[in-house]
Amino acid sequence: AQSVAQPEDQVNVAEGNPLTVKCTYSVSGNPYLFWYVQYPNRGLQFLLKYITGDNLVKGSYGFEAEFNKSQTSFHLKKPSALVSDSALYFCAVRDEGPKAGNNRKLIWGLGTSLAVNP
Amino acid sequence: ETGVTQTPRHLVMGMTNKKSLKCEQHLGHNAMYWYKQSAKKPLELMFVYSLEERVENNSVPSRFSPECPNSSHLFLHLHTLQPEDSALYLCASSQDGGLAFSTDTQYFGPGTRLTVL
Repeated sequence: AQSVAQPEDQVNVAEGNPLTVKCTYSVSGNPYLFWYVQYPNRGLQFLLKYITGDNLVKGSYGFEAEFNKSQTSFHLKKPSALVSDSALYFCAVRDEGPKAGNNRKLIWGLGTSLAVNP
Repeated sequence: ETGVTQTPRHLVMGMTNKKSLKCEQHLGHNAMYWYKQSAKKPLELMFVYSLEERVENNSVPSRFSPECPNSSHLFLHLHTLQPEDSALYLCASSQDGGLAFSTDTQYFGPGTRLTVL
């Protein structure tokens, strides 16, 4: 069964320091992986996705994520955190292959709350 | 964020009321989605429309009734809701490449915060 885990409910980091938000997944085939961010009282905003190719994916607002097949991980990173990065971050996965039945769904993590302290 | 709009942004309703949530996408996409977001739970996919045809209905109670009159508009009609239906309801859209293409990215609206008294 497909699943995704975000092992940390909350991550705290000082402004200017690098940040990492962790995500691990389980799918039967090759994964399609997504990161979204949600600011208070807003919808989810797409940050980046991994489909195939280079394991390091660059996205919006200076974020990047590294796909690691052997560790089944897709951690979100940023070299220097900003206070404005404080938000809820969601990882999602879909299995490759025909989009029928349950494979149409994105499987979502529970989210990680990122707090960047000034 | 103006690519997908939702109205109203906040809604308070009694258990016997009937109301509707509206979603409109300005991205030229051909698929639209309704999600329910509750605290401490994964995002729950409720309904999917692709090319205006409902392709998924995830065992959602009949008190929720979707409508997709065209590829740009999606409604969620609500009636006789329960307090546990209080949540943030999110609409999303994507460009559906068909059954063989599952890499499409979903773009979300700001959501409707629903409170059922």
